[in-house]
Amino acid sequence: SQTIHQWPATLVQPVGSPLSLECTVEGTSNPNLYWYRQAAGRGLQLLFYSVGIGQISSEVPQNLSASRPQDRQFILSSKKLLLSDSGFYLCAWRIAGGWSPLHFGNGTRLTVT
Amino acid sequence: AQRVTQPEKLLSVFKGAPVELKCNYSYSGSPELFWYVQYSRQRLQLLLRHISRESIKGFTADLNKGETSFHLKKPFAQEEDSAMYYCALHPYGGATNKLIFGTGTLLAVQP
Repeated sequence: SQTIHQWPATLVQPVGSPLSLECTVEGTSNPNLYWYRQAAGRGLQLLFYSVGIGQISSEVPQNLSASRPQDRQFILSSKKLLLSDSGFYLCAWRIAGGWSPLHFGNGTRLTVT
Repeated sequence: AQRVTQPEKLLSVFKGAPVELKCNYSYSGSPELFWYVQYSRQRLQLLLRHISRESIKGFTADLNKGETSFHLKKPFAQEEDSAMYYCALHPYGGATNKLIFGTGTLLAVQP
């Protein structure tokens, strides 16, 4: 069966420090991968999605970037964190093609101080 | 523009009362619609999809293209239904792989 791993679960970082959140999927090949940010009152905001290795689509201009160095690995990064980057970040995957649902990770609570 | 609207941030009902979580969408084509749920301390997960036409945990949702709605309903709410519910739209077409979510409705079922 397929599983998704996302880490760390919580992270506290000072302003201006770098960020790296990692997400891996097991049990499937060539998944579509997604990074969402969940904020109270604003729902789930799509940040990035990827349909293949090295292919990244950005949905909103921001201080973050994403990379997909391997088929089942998706990384969310920042060179210098801002206070506004604080939030709850969710990684998700779905089977490419068709109308398959998203499968979410447990999320990372990021606090920038 | 593609958009999903959930007008209620919070819906509070008593146990045994009917529940209707509203969802309206804006999309000119044929969408695929989903309801996702997040229970306390659990990951966000799929509840149901309109194409399946199934009832999950007593919940149903019917796609009304005329009203562009996909409301989630349950005739008798249970305390364990308390959770955050998100409506999501997947636009038809191979050019996009995005799911667009609403802002969510927190359902609180009182004993």
